[in-house]
Amino acid sequence: RKEVEQDPGPFNVPEGATVAFNCTYSNSASQSFFWYRQDCRKEPKLLMSVYSSGNEDGRFTAQLNRASQYISLLIRDSKLSDSATYLCVVRFQGGKLIFGQGTELSVKP
Amino acid sequence: GAGVSQSPRYKVAKRGQDVALRCDPISGHVSLFWYQQALGQGPEFLTYFQNEAQLDKSGLPSDRFFAERPEGSVSTLKIQRTQQEDSAVYLCASSPPGGVEKLFFGSGTQLSVL
Repeated sequence: RKEVEQDPGPFNVPEGATVAFNCTYSNSASQSFFWYRQDCRKEPKLLMSVYSSGNEDGRFTAQLNRASQYISLLIRDSKLSDSATYLCVVRFQGGKLIFGQGTELSVKP
Repeated sequence: GAGVSQSPRYKVAKRGQDVALRCDPISGHVSLFWYQQALGQGPEFLTYFQNEAQLDKSGLPSDRFFAERPEGSVSTLKIQRTQQEDSAVYLCASSPPGGVEKLFFGSGTQLSVL
């Protein structure tokens, strides 16, 4: 079993739709959680950190459920520019940062 | 304001050849990570340094892979006797002191082993 697992993609949604991505992690001692975005043939870039109480950044909302070892990302009012691969990232004890396999999102006009 | 620099950008190697991939992190960044990314997959953790200390090398797939960061700045990932399955993009990332959460990635080295 992989240490960080994500929903399989791709997700194909129309502009304006709301879409949610899920991620589970295996190590209950994991310390920090993030969502990264990766555009085609580009390097990953931090989208947002995920806090225990949940947090929002504009159209993006991240949630963490430590008991279920589960992280989510919600995107409201999808834009064409949101098309990318979304990577769930977990910081394990000792400091290493582990990426999920990514979920591809394609927003269509 | 240079970012993380990786070289070469592309590398074609014959099977069995040794390769060395270089990463020049952002000045002052303490932590440095190496990842391997195959097409359509997420980055796979290889190893991580804090300054010159290699704190975790659990992701290195075999003893053909070796990484070093002797002066706590530039890092080199070396792959000996390359195999076709080593073909991937190798990403380097660094993060500032106290800010390991935000990784700054280089553009990667695309390695093709023929």
